[in-house]
Amino acid sequence: AQTVTQSQPEMSVQEAETVTLSCTYDTSESDYYLFWYKQPPSRQMILVIRQEAYKQQNATENRFSVNFQKAAKSFSLKISDSQLGDAATYFCAYRANYGQNFVFGPGTRLSVLP
Amino acid sequence: GAVVSQHPSWVICKSGTSVKIECRSLDFQATTMFWYRQFPKQSLMLMATSNEGSKATYEQGVEKDKFLINHASLTLSTLTVTSAHPEDSSFYICSPVGSAGGTEAFFGQGTRLTVV
Repeated sequence: AQTVTQSQPEMSVQEAETVTLSCTYDTSESDYYLFWYKQPPSRQMILVIRQEAYKQQNATENRFSVNFQKAAKSFSLKISDSQLGDAATYFCAYRANYGQNFVFGPGTRLSVLP
Repeated sequence: GAVVSQHPSWVICKSGTSVKIECRSLDFQATTMFWYRQFPKQSLMLMATSNEGSKATYEQGVEKDKFLINHASLTLSTLTVTSAHPEDSSFYICSPVGSAGGTEAFFGQGTRLTVV
């Protein structure tokens, strides 16, 4: 079964600084999708960024970028120029294909300090 | 992105009563519905998967007679927590999947259930 691990239960970053959240996963599949979701206090799941495993280029979305290392099964999220609104719990998620459910990591609670 | 409407957003009920949670996909046909549960300060865990017109498949440890799932149409799925107990208090989130393909996924706003 696939598993997703996030080794940092909590992290903090100073406003305008950069922070990297770690994620590792385990799968025997060669093609799959990886995601980072943000869950603010409202608890609505918000997509931050996604990566298709067959793509070698790391995904970027404005201030958010990933470092995808397929051989190492690592998928870290870098947040640049951190803003107060980035404070939330971030979940790394794996999905085998479109029709399958997500497997979520335990989450990393990010605090942004003014 | 697609619109998913889940309600109620929160509900308080007495032990022994039943609560129904609705999840609607407003602008696409959901052939599959995933129901997740999230306990405080924990991650989302898959409870069950339903396909339109078929019986739901439950994850290990989830009682199918307690968590009744109905997915009778392509735009509506319901989760009924029967004979609720305080340990059922949790945050429940639906995630519909359509047949159109793509990598996007959608989530309902979630339902916070408190059983007293």
